[in-house]
Amino acid sequence: ETGVTQTPRHLVMGMTNKKSLKCEQHLGHNAMYWYKQSAKKPLELMFVYSLEERVENNSVPSRFSPECPNSSHLFLHLHTLQPEDSALYLCASSPGGGLPGQGAEETQYFGPGTRLLVL
Amino acid sequence: LAKTTQPISMDSYEGQEVNITCSHNNIATNDYITWYQQFPSQGPRFIIQGYKTKVTNEVASLFIPADRKSSTLSLPRVSLSDTAVYYCLVGPVDTPLVFGKGTRLSVIA
Repeated sequence: ETGVTQTPRHLVMGMTNKKSLKCEQHLGHNAMYWYKQSAKKPLELMFVYSLEERVENNSVPSRFSPECPNSSHLFLHLHTLQPEDSALYLCASSPGGGLPGQGAEETQYFGPGTRLLVL
Repeated sequence: LAKTTQPISMDSYEGQEVNITCSHNNIATNDYITWYQQFPSQGPRFIIQGYKTKVTNEVASLFIPADRKSSTLSLPRVSLSDTAVYYCLVGPVDTPLVFGKGTRLSVIA
């Protein structure tokens, strides 16, 4: 138990569906992250939020839409996904602001992930 | 961020000590070395972090030579439950880290 929870743990959706993934951290951290991990591929950083503001978006398709209403919650809204978007989606948080040069500790604490299957 | 190179996979028998070496030739002065462990279908978990010489905690030891161009994660007396992917990451402590492909460790009974 890392203090980062994700729901749902498993999700099956069609290409025309709209769904949302939820992440919640109980650690008082200031930065939150979304990662995608496809089979036998490295983790891909998708989004970084620092103090509820998006600071990094690694060229993610617009069918993935993040939302960070407060420092404890992070959502990933999904719409019109493709089968190749099937993957494990991981949320993480870190104590610092997530911004370079702040000198804050950025050890990341990961949630258990949501296993997504797009049909 | 410094590029890292580590073996794709390793095998070990239970009870043995396992050493996983990571190369990071272009490590910068303000870079730290961090190792994460990931079990199947779970998120990565922080194991250990160091800057130079040796760091030890209840899980592992991290050996860093004086030139810091490589580092070795040492797992004492591995068990089947240590089967996982181990990631070596190098970068400033206050910057989001980039994960590579990691080393897939398989522990055999």
